[in-house]
Amino acid sequence: NAGVTQTPKFQVLKTGQSMTLQCAQDMNHEYMSWYRQDPGMGLRLIHYSVGAGITDQGEVPNGYNVSRSTTEDFPLRLLSAAPSQTSVYFCASSPGQIAYEQYFGPGTRLTVT
Amino acid sequence: EDQVTQSPEALRLQEGESSSLNCSYTVSGLRGLFWYRQDPGKGPEFLFTLYSAGEEKEKERLKATLTKKESFLHITAPKPEDSATYLCAVQESTGGTSYGKLTFGQGTILTVHP
Repeated sequence: NAGVTQTPKFQVLKTGQSMTLQCAQDMNHEYMSWYRQDPGMGLRLIHYSVGAGITDQGEVPNGYNVSRSTTEDFPLRLLSAAPSQTSVYFCASSPGQIAYEQYFGPGTRLTVT
Repeated sequence: EDQVTQSPEALRLQEGESSSLNCSYTVSGLRGLFWYRQDPGKGPEFLFTLYSAGEEKEKERLKATLTKKESFLHITAPKPEDSATYLCAVQESTGGTSYGKLTFGQGTILTVHP
């Protein structure tokens, strides 16, 4: 199993550009989530999904969209990039929502200029 | 609001010098407390889940314990390869819009010198 994979690994965007961060898992996990990690802020939840077709907002959802058309894939879309979205983004998956450990991907380092 | 505070922010040890990392938390009801290890440039790697006060889990040189207000990650005779950032996260037992949400602490940066 590859586990959780993310692409790209690095990305530089100009303010106002849009892009999609890709996330895929091959463990047949129902629960997937997106976090951003910033110095001094820890990991913060952006959006999550409890199964195909079901998504919900986390702690910091503004400026991001998600969809979940399959169990395997959970892309994160930046609609109009802003410098405040410069961060490291992690996707995670879990067998269930409650009291199950989450497995993280390797991350995407995004810089918005 | 859930709060997770980890201390110290950074810890430097000599190889073989045992110590403990602390994670104190405030939640209305704890569903689970999780410890992760994160190496530079990598995603967090799962270590342990603790569910109730008094529970302990061990893995090689690491031992995690849980009380009603805090968790400790004890590192016995550490080696340089144990150097990493250790993250603690809690999951609250109530549902709502943040169903299943993990609240993370800011981590402890551990450096073990040979």
